[in-house]
Amino acid sequence: NAGVTQTPKFQVLKTGQSMTLQCAQDMNHEYMSWYRQDPGMGLRLIHYSVGAGITDQGEVPNGYNVSRSTTEDFPLRLLSAAPSQTSVYFCASSLAGGVNEQFFGPGTRLTVL
Amino acid sequence: DQQVKQNSPSLSVQEGRISILNCDYTNSMFDYFLWYKKYPAEGPTFLISISSIKDKNEDGRFTVFLNKSAKHLSLHIVPSQPGDSAVYFCAANSNYKLTFGKGTLLTVNP
Repeated sequence: NAGVTQTPKFQVLKTGQSMTLQCAQDMNHEYMSWYRQDPGMGLRLIHYSVGAGITDQGEVPNGYNVSRSTTEDFPLRLLSAAPSQTSVYFCASSLAGGVNEQFFGPGTRLTVL
Repeated sequence: DQQVKQNSPSLSVQEGRISILNCDYTNSMFDYFLWYKKYPAEGPTFLISISSIKDKNEDGRFTVFLNKSAKHLSLHIVPSQPGDSAVYFCAANSNYKLTFGKGTLLTVNP
């Protein structure tokens, strides 16, 4: 099993550009989520999904879109990148939400100039 | 307003001694608490968890204690090993959402 994979590992964008961060898991987990981690901060929940076709907002959803068309994939879209979105992004999956162990991907380091 | 607080940004202990990492929370709706460990340039990895209906959970060298009346939990690592050096995050669950603390950098000196 590959676990949770994220692509790309690094990305540099200009303000106003859009892009999609990819996340996939091969553990047949129903729950998937996206977090961002900023220096000196913990991980903050952006969006999450409890199953295919169902998504909901987390703590910091503004500027981001998600969709969940399959169990395996949970892409995160930046609509119009801003310098405030410079961060490390982690995708995670688990059997059933926060009460279960979440498996995290290796992260995507995004810089917005 | 921070709902999960880890007030010690860093902790240094000697190999073989006990490491105690603390976490406080404010939201009474949290029903599950988890500890994650993170090495640089990697994603966090799960360490141990505890349900709000329990006050202790043990897994090998790791024990988590929960004091609901004080809204406080702690992670004990005994004995500490140099490989335990990492950032430790406390996290709390409510309604499918995890809230993380800012983390504590643990350094275990040989």
